[in-house]
Amino acid sequence: AQKVTQAQTEISVVEKEDVTLDCVYETRDTTYYLFWYKQPPSGELVFLIRRNSFDEQNEISGRYSWNFQKSTSSFNFTITASQVVDSAVYFCALSEAPPGEEELPQETSGSRLTFGEGTQLTVNP
Amino acid sequence: EAQVTQNPRYLITVTGKKLTVTCSQNMNHEYMSWYRQDPGLGLRQIYYSMNVEVTDKGDVPEGYKVSRKEKRNFPLILESPSPNQTSLYFCASSVHDSRYEQYFGPGTRLTVT
Repeated sequence: AQKVTQAQTEISVVEKEDVTLDCVYETRDTTYYLFWYKQPPSGELVFLIRRNSFDEQNEISGRYSWNFQKSTSSFNFTITASQVVDSAVYFCALSEAPPGEEELPQETSGSRLTFGEGTQLTVNP
Repeated sequence: EAQVTQNPRYLITVTGKKLTVTCSQNMNHEYMSWYRQDPGLGLRQIYYSMNVEVTDKGDVPEGYKVSRKEKRNFPLILESPSPNQTSLYFCASSVHDSRYEQYFGPGTRLTVT
């Protein structure tokens, strides 16, 4: 079964510190997609990034960067020079193929989405 | 404005009283899904739908039903709610399937006493 683990339940940093949120996943799929979502205190879920399993290039968007490493099944998220507005719960997620199609070589349609437990990030002034 | 709407936003009910949480999207998305969020467990998928009249179980489907009679609507039905279904529920949609960005509704806070 597919699984996403975010071992850090809570992280607390002081403003301007860099912080890395870990995400480790398990899948038998040859093709899969990984995501990060942000849930600020207001409660809505905000999409941050989507990455497919064939693209291992790191990505940077402003103060946000993502490190995807298939060798360690990890998709970590780093916030540089954190700000109070970054305080939120962050979720990592994995899209998997329908049951019975996990090992097909061609790209299959995704059906289920598995989320990690979430990491509560608090950035203090 | 492109959005996913859920109603009601808050609901307190009693054990055994059937209820429906509605979900509607205006983006002509094919894929819709329901999740529940519980402390320490993240979001868990209840049911999903790849298109009209096509639904399937997620990871925690027990005690829930869904239907997809129209592309825009995906109601979540609790036939006989129990206290362990007290949770925060999110509906989401995406253009094709779970490989794409999910657009989430605002959430429904359900309490079953």
